[in-house]
Amino acid sequence: AQTVTQSQPEMSVQEAETVTLSCTYDTSENNYYLFWYKQPPSRQMILVIRQEAYKQQNATENRFSVNFQKAAKSFSLKISDSQLGDTAMYFCAFMKHGLTNFGNEKLTFGTGTRLTIIP
Amino acid sequence: NAGVTQTPKFRILKIGQSMTLQCAQDMNHNYMYWYRQDPGMGLKLIYYSVGAGITDKGEVPNGYNVSRSTTEDFPLRLELAAPSQTSVYFCASKGGALLMSYNEQFFGPGTRLTVL
Repeated sequence: AQTVTQSQPEMSVQEAETVTLSCTYDTSENNYYLFWYKQPPSRQMILVIRQEAYKQQNATENRFSVNFQKAAKSFSLKISDSQLGDTAMYFCAFMKHGLTNFGNEKLTFGTGTRLTIIP
Repeated sequence: NAGVTQTPKFRILKIGQSMTLQCAQDMNHNYMYWYRQDPGMGLKLIYYSVGAGITDKGEVPNGYNVSRSTTEDFPLRLELAAPSQTSVYFCASKGGALLMSYNEQFFGPGTRLTVL
């Protein structure tokens, strides 16, 4: 079974600064996906960024980027130029690769990091 | 497209009552999931389905039942509600491998359930 660990229950940062959220995971799989989801107070789960394990290049989406270290099983999220709208819970999640694990495309979530952006 | 819809948004149940949480998606996705989120925690998988007529248990299935008679709908049934089932319930769906976004799950807005 896979496990996902987020060791920072809460973080806060000044607006416009850069913040990094940590995530580690444990798996014996070689093909998988990693995700960061954002959950604002509205409760909606919003996909922020995804990484495919077979890709060595780190994923980026505008102000969001990841540092994917496959050997270390680490997947951190960096938010640059943080904005007030970034205030939310952030969840790291793991999913086995569907093409080799049919029926096992299930997400395993970490416990989340509550991020507060201070004006 | 409405995406993934869930009803109701809020519900209060008494211990021992039963109810069905509704979930529907209009994206023709094969995969559908039910998760629960307890306060301060991540989401845990209750049940999932890989297509109409096929369902399987997730991590925390006790006290729940599901059915999948159509591609669009995936209701979650709570029998004999207990305080431990107080949680926020999320439904999600995902396309098959032929779709570009086949690795992304799309979530509904959630149902907040309180059992007293």
